[in-house]
Amino acid sequence: AQKITQTQPGMFVQEKEAVTLDCTYDTSDQSYGLFWYKQPSSGEMIFLIYQGSYDEQNATEGRYSLNFQKARKSANLVISASQLGDSAMYFCAMREVGGATNKLIFGTGTLLAVQP
Amino acid sequence: GAVVSQHPSRVICKSGTSVKIECRSLDFQATTMFWYRQFPKQSLMLMATSNEGSKATYEQGVEKDKFLINHASLTLSTLTVTSAHPEDSSFYICSARDRKGPQHFGDGTRLSIL
Repeated sequence: AQKITQTQPGMFVQEKEAVTLDCTYDTSDQSYGLFWYKQPSSGEMIFLIYQGSYDEQNATEGRYSLNFQKARKSANLVISASQLGDSAMYFCAMREVGGATNKLIFGTGTLLAVQP
Repeated sequence: GAVVSQHPSRVICKSGTSVKIECRSLDFQATTMFWYRQFPKQSLMLMATSNEGSKATYEQGVEKDKFLINHASLTLSTLTVTSAHPEDSSFYICSARDRKGPQHFGDGTRLSIL
């Protein structure tokens, strides 16, 4: 069965510094997709970044980058130059590519607090 | 802008009431939509997969008769919480996936049953 693990319930980071949010996954599938979503206190889920299992390069989207280490089954999110508005819950998720349902499996989330 | 619209954003109602939540894909057709439930400070738990024109697929432990799902068109799925009770109070959020993109989420519905 697929599983996503986020071991950091909460993280603090100083404004303008970089922070890494950990995510490890477990799957027997060869094709899968990894996602990071941000959930502010208002509740909406905001898509941040995607990494396909066959992508050779690490995904980057602006200040977000995904440190994908396939052999270790890890997909850590790196946020550079943290901003106060980055304070939120962050969820790592995995989807089986080509599966019948394309459903996402979520980790338990990491609460990030950016300090001024 | 939003590509998935969820309505209402907040519902407060009496115990025993049935509540309907709508999820619409705005710019694309979604043959599959997903319904999640999230308790405070917890992760999203998939409740069911909504399939256009056929029965929804429910996750283990989710009562089909309690949480009715209808996906009558390619852009609309509805979740009805029947005879809601206080323990059904939660944050419900839907998502839909465009053909090649990530899943896009609605803004969620905070359901409070008094």
